[in-house]
Amino acid sequence: GENVEQHPSTLSVQEGDSAVIKCTYSDSASNYFPWYKQELGKRPQLIIDIRSNVGEKKDQRIAVTLNKTAKHFSLHITETQPEDSAVYFCAASLSMNTGFQKLVFGTGTRLLVSP
Amino acid sequence: DAGVTQSPTHLIKTRGQQVTLRCSPKSGHDTVSWYQQALGQGPQFIFQYYEEEERQRGNFPDRFSGHQYPNYSSELNVNALLLGDSALYLCASSLRQVINSPLHFGNGTRLTVT
Repeated sequence: GENVEQHPSTLSVQEGDSAVIKCTYSDSASNYFPWYKQELGKRPQLIIDIRSNVGEKKDQRIAVTLNKTAKHFSLHITETQPEDSAVYFCAASLSMNTGFQKLVFGTGTRLLVSP
Repeated sequence: DAGVTQSPTHLIKTRGQQVTLRCSPKSGHDTVSWYQQALGQGPQFIFQYYEEEERQRGNFPDRFSGHQYPNYSSELNVNALLLGDSALYLCASSLRQVINSPLHFGNGTRLTVT
């Protein structure tokens, strides 16, 4: 089955710096890669996703890159702000023709942005 | 537009007891998935329901069962509770006809087994 590894487990940056979180996956058939942000005591919220037919996607300060050959994908946050502090999870999914998918999550990265 | 709602928010049970958790999907969604999130870990897939049938299942024992109703709401049942079942249980909804439809999560039910 699919396995997702995520690094680093914790990341501390100064406000305004960039942050990069990396994930690798094992199943080359996986075709959907979302990123979730989870603040303490709250629900995971989708912040960006990428499909296997795209190499990069950007949304304001957030970008995700995908390298299918190496089976890894990364989240990039530029100009970090204190409100970016949270736990970030990557995930991978194999979506069958049936339309059903299940996400396999990484272990999470705790991002702390200091003012 | 109501998002995914779960009840109760917190629950304390004793080992060996049974528990039922409830979920109402986001308006317009027809597929419900359940995830278990242990403290400090990523969510783990339990199972998924569509048209009142279990469609996929993760590596969870038969003590974990579910149900989906015609209005798309869903329940997660756990029998013979173990201390290790203590976790945040997350419900997520999506729309089956949209390939890779993003999952929308509820706030979860925090279950404590003593």
